[in-house]
Amino acid sequence: GEDVEQSLFLSVREGDSSVINCTYTDSSSTYLYWYKQEPGAGLQLLTYIFSNMDMKQDQRLTVLLNKKDKHLSLRIADTQTGDSAIYFCAAGRGSSNTGKLIFGQGTTLQVKP
Amino acid sequence: DADVTQTPRNRITKTGKRIMLECSQTKGHDRMYWYRQDPGLGLRLIYYSFDVKDINKGEISDGYSVSRQAQAKFSLSLESAIPNQTALYFCATSDGNSPLHFGNGTRLTVT
Repeated sequence: GEDVEQSLFLSVREGDSSVINCTYTDSSSTYLYWYKQEPGAGLQLLTYIFSNMDMKQDQRLTVLLNKKDKHLSLRIADTQTGDSAIYFCAAGRGSSNTGKLIFGQGTTLQVKP
Repeated sequence: DADVTQTPRNRITKTGKRIMLECSQTKGHDRMYWYRQDPGLGLRLIYYSFDVKDINKGEISDGYSVSRQAQAKFSLSLESAIPNQTALYFCATSDGNSPLHFGNGTRLTVT
């Protein structure tokens, strides 16, 4: 079946940049998402990108998409302790926006002061 | 976020019991979803509904059932709970044009 893979853990120093990587297998995925989960909370949408885009920037967040390699990355500039959370990459199944998402395992970001 | 409200927030139940998790939304979205989160596995889709008369199985529907009582309400039932259904359950909504909007989850423990 289709799959989304992420590394499980990333540790950075406050003020550094964080880069979280994700690969997916469904080449027809049109919508690709990044969600953030803080302890005890639900999933908060951070950003999303359409497959016809290479890059999307939103304040401290930059998403890069390499559609050929099916690789997605999330860069957080000037990482703060409040950015400590689990980050999920998700790919929409197929080309339409059905809400049927395939999630990665989640990357736990630890930000050290 | 009170737009999507899940009840209860936490529940402990025994093997074999029937349990219902409820979800209500004030976003006016037609589409509602139930996902399950397990550590190290991300989230997986259990059931989804595109409108009141539409119910569809997701990738892990065995052992679960759902009811769409109204546009704003979508409940998930475990007919006979088993320990490997211990997980964090999320309800989500969408209008079909926007990304999924999630509730804060229900933590279910089956002993």
